[in-house]
Amino acid sequence: DAGVIQSPRHEVTEMGQEVTLRCKPISGHDYLFWYRQTMMRGLELLIYFNNNVPIDDSGMPEDRFSAKMPNASFSTLKIQPSEPRDSAVYFCASSFSRLGGPSEQYFGPGTRLTVT
Amino acid sequence: GNSVTQMEGPVTLSEEAFLTINCTYTATGYPSLFWYVQYPGEGLQLLLKATKADDKGSNKGFEATYRKETTSFHLEKGSVQVSDSAVYFCAHHGGSQGNLIFGKGTKLSVKP
Repeated sequence: DAGVIQSPRHEVTEMGQEVTLRCKPISGHDYLFWYRQTMMRGLELLIYFNNNVPIDDSGMPEDRFSAKMPNASFSTLKIQPSEPRDSAVYFCASSFSRLGGPSEQYFGPGTRLTVT
Repeated sequence: GNSVTQMEGPVTLSEEAFLTINCTYTATGYPSLFWYVQYPGEGLQLLLKATKADDKGSNKGFEATYRKETTSFHLEKGSVQVSDSAVYFCAHHGGSQGNLIFGKGTKLSVKP
């Protein structure tokens, strides 16, 4: 059974360029989460969706970041324009609703972004 | 508000030593509690969980007990191995929302 799939696994880009990160959640999961991890800030929740609808985007750093979930099997996180301080590992995770509350989260392998 | 506090690392142990990583939480109600592990270069993986008070989660020799009275969920292992070297995250659900509240992570290094 495939887990959460992220692409690309590594991305190197120059400052000012647009970057798009992609995520395919586990089939049947109705929650999707985007995280960012850096040495300085640790693991940060950027945004999460429930049934393709953004629920909380308070962690999105600024207007340069945007996320979409056009359908239940695909989400994107876009950075435009990118800056060196955006360099981090970006994780996507998914979970499902069940009686008593949402399940644990299942994480993808991450995308390591380097902005030069 | 909702938060998770776990002991700061790094923690360095010799192989076969006993491990404890402390975790305490603040939350509304009694949320499910989790330990995740992140091996170098990988994403987070669920290690164990507990969904109600006094539950004990266990996996791969690791254990943690949901202590409502002390709002704690300490991770323990009786004999660590080099392969246990990783970063460990304690977490709980943020109330009725779907998101998880994570601690800052504790890096464990096990020396042969």
